[in-house]
Amino acid sequence: DTEVTQTPKHLVMGMTNKKSLKCEQHMGHRAMYWYKQKAKKPPELMFVYSYEKLSINESVPSRFSPECPNSSLLNLHLHALQPEDSALYLCASSQSGDTQYFGPGTRLTVL
Amino acid sequence: QKEVEQDPGPLSVPEGAIVSLNCTYSNSAFQYFMWYRQYSRKGPELLMYTYSSGNKEDGRFTAQVDKSSKYISLFIRDSQPSDSATYLCAMADYSGSRLTFGEGTQLTVNP
Repeated sequence: DTEVTQTPKHLVMGMTNKKSLKCEQHMGHRAMYWYKQKAKKPPELMFVYSYEKLSINESVPSRFSPECPNSSLLNLHLHALQPEDSALYLCASSQSGDTQYFGPGTRLTVL
Repeated sequence: QKEVEQDPGPLSVPEGAIVSLNCTYSNSAFQYFMWYRQYSRKGPELLMYTYSSGNKEDGRFTAQVDKSSKYISLFIRDSQPSDSATYLCAMADYSGSRLTFGEGTQLTVNP
């Protein structure tokens, strides 16, 4: 089973709202990732957690705040987003770091 | 110059055709090579993974890597309308800490 689940599937939020995206994997993978994908572009790496510790932050604005409560869960807390943050947000997991398995994504619209 | 170059297409073929998708790369540190398929508004799905030069076959799909030329390919035999998607090549170095994606090739297989 190579399933990564993400909730919600769709999210619409105003610029003053606070919301969270959730990701879960039960493959025992040691690494989890957040990506942002705009239309007709490849995924852009945002954050990497390795063994539940943040190992990479790709200079993401502080209005995005990741959290890894345990080895199976990954959250992305959103606050004071801008309309240009509207995108597909993808979670991925990996055991060895190279082969990454993606979830279905959360389609975020910021009004 | 981008580390990974991939022709974005679009590529349109008739059903049953052999499809060839290609990426070139400039970073000789890349050791792991992946192909992902992404349907519209969905997350990328891992299709093929290889780490050595040569061919790897899985059903109708063959991945080919030529490290000396820094060139990878994905061949799809007997293409089906259900193969219509965007195909992303991705690569990682020994650390495996991040993937570098190509821009993706949009493929349409016409019935």
